Amino acid sequence: DGGITQSPKYLFRKEGQNVTLSCEQNLNHDAMYWYRQDPGQGLRLIYYSQIVNDFQKGDIAEGYSVSREKKESFPLTVTSAQKNPTAFYLCASLQSPGQAISNQPQHFGDGTRLSIL
Amino acid sequence: GQQVMQIPQYQHVQEGEDFTTYCNSSTTLSNIQWYKQRPGGHPVFLIQLVKSGEVKKQKRLTFQFGEAKKNSSLHITATQTTDVGTYFCAGPNGGSNYKLTFGKGTLLTVNP
Repeated sequence: DGGITQSPKYLFRKEGQNVTLSCEQNLNHDAMYWYRQDPGQGLRLIYYSQIVNDFQKGDIAEGYSVSREKKESFPLTVTSAQKNPTAFYLCASLQSPGQAISNQPQHFGDGTRLSIL
Repeated sequence: GQQVMQIPQYQHVQEGEDFTTYCNSSTTLSNIQWYKQRPGGHPVFLIQLVKSGEVKKQKRLTFQFGEAKKNSSLHITATQTTDVGTYFCAGPNGGSNYKLTFGKGTLLTVNP
């Protein structure tokens, strides 16, 4: 979607290195999400944030960290503790003015492909 | 925890043939969403079903929500090469109003 920008498109990580994936949205959406996608797998939730300065762990948060200092930005750091970081990372957002996610579609960015050097 | 199963995992068809993917949840869903991801792309929202037994159509695509609201299907009539991609279903995570549980998807390939 044009309203969500992920960068970089491709990223390589060295052993023991932390890397940060950027996600910016200009849709004025409240909630933002990070998913990991492996070949043949669905989308697995890493972290999500309902509002600024608040975020929650998803199903596979170990080895990852996030921050939500601004409404439009939700960067994801893949730490050295994540031993198998090679995957396609997708950021998503939705407008949730007090409403449940169940009523709204998620808008995805183009993704970042992370590989180990 | 909640599980959303999708079958088949892969489906290869000849152009013009029909295609169906099925989604089953371990719990009753308040609604179900369907997404399409083209090869190398990102998931794009297709539709949301809310009512028991609901059927919605988008041109050649027909979406159904089961009477018990635990299963759903997507049927494509007379596939075209533009239908190639992975189709995902997703339902609200039972423990939170802010999370979705995605199925693993069905990869559709179409032979022209």
